[in-house]
Amino acid sequence: DAKTTQPPSMDCAEGRAANLPCNHSTISGNEYVYWYRQIHSQGPQYIIHGLKNNETNEMASLIITEDRKSSTLILPHATLRDTAVYYCIVDVNYGGSQGNLIFGKGTKLSVKP
Amino acid sequence: NAGVTQTPKFQVLKTGQSMTLQCAQDMNHNSMYWYRQDPGMGLRLIYYSASEGTTDKGEVPNGYNVSRLNKREFSLRLESAAPSQTSVYFCASSEEVLGGRETQYFGPGTRLLVL
Repeated sequence: DAKTTQPPSMDCAEGRAANLPCNHSTISGNEYVYWYRQIHSQGPQYIIHGLKNNETNEMASLIITEDRKSSTLILPHATLRDTAVYYCIVDVNYGGSQGNLIFGKGTKLSVKP
Repeated sequence: NAGVTQTPKFQVLKTGQSMTLQCAQDMNHNSMYWYRQDPGMGLRLIYYSASEGTTDKGEVPNGYNVSRLNKREFSLRLESAAPSQTSVYFCASSEEVLGGRETQYFGPGTRLLVL
């Protein structure tokens, strides 16, 4: 079973910030939080990851609560092309190239004009 | 730089037929993976390969075999296809990233229908 809980769907107006929540209350101290997205019919795409500090890259920002039991992915200016299913994933294995990303059902984000 | 490529894009099989799904990456990654995605579901790991010459089972390996032919290529074989194997199959590869965890890069997928 996925170790994360996400709302099944969310809407966002084009140009506004999209804030996607994720609960991971059983996360271990050295597990990372990863976000991927899947645009319709395409392979998943990596967005961002973090351990305990907030992270930002050219695609998004990741805010992790101090107790690490939840996080929020922020798309600062959502566009129609950001319509996708967003997966919050807690890392299962460590190093050694044994990555087993457990994908849940994710959040379907619909960006509307 | 093509990233991760998969062939074929689409395939229709009859029950009992066999086929091999091909995957190749040009990013010099050590690790490669095969996932399946059923309608409305997340991805589930079938097999992975941490390096050339090694393979390990994932969550749903039954009915599949894999071969890590070399560092670039990782193939998935269905020896006797069943309707339950109708799915979209994604191949992925990964690198080590600073901070201890790996980013996976996915191919475009192979859509398989077993009649």
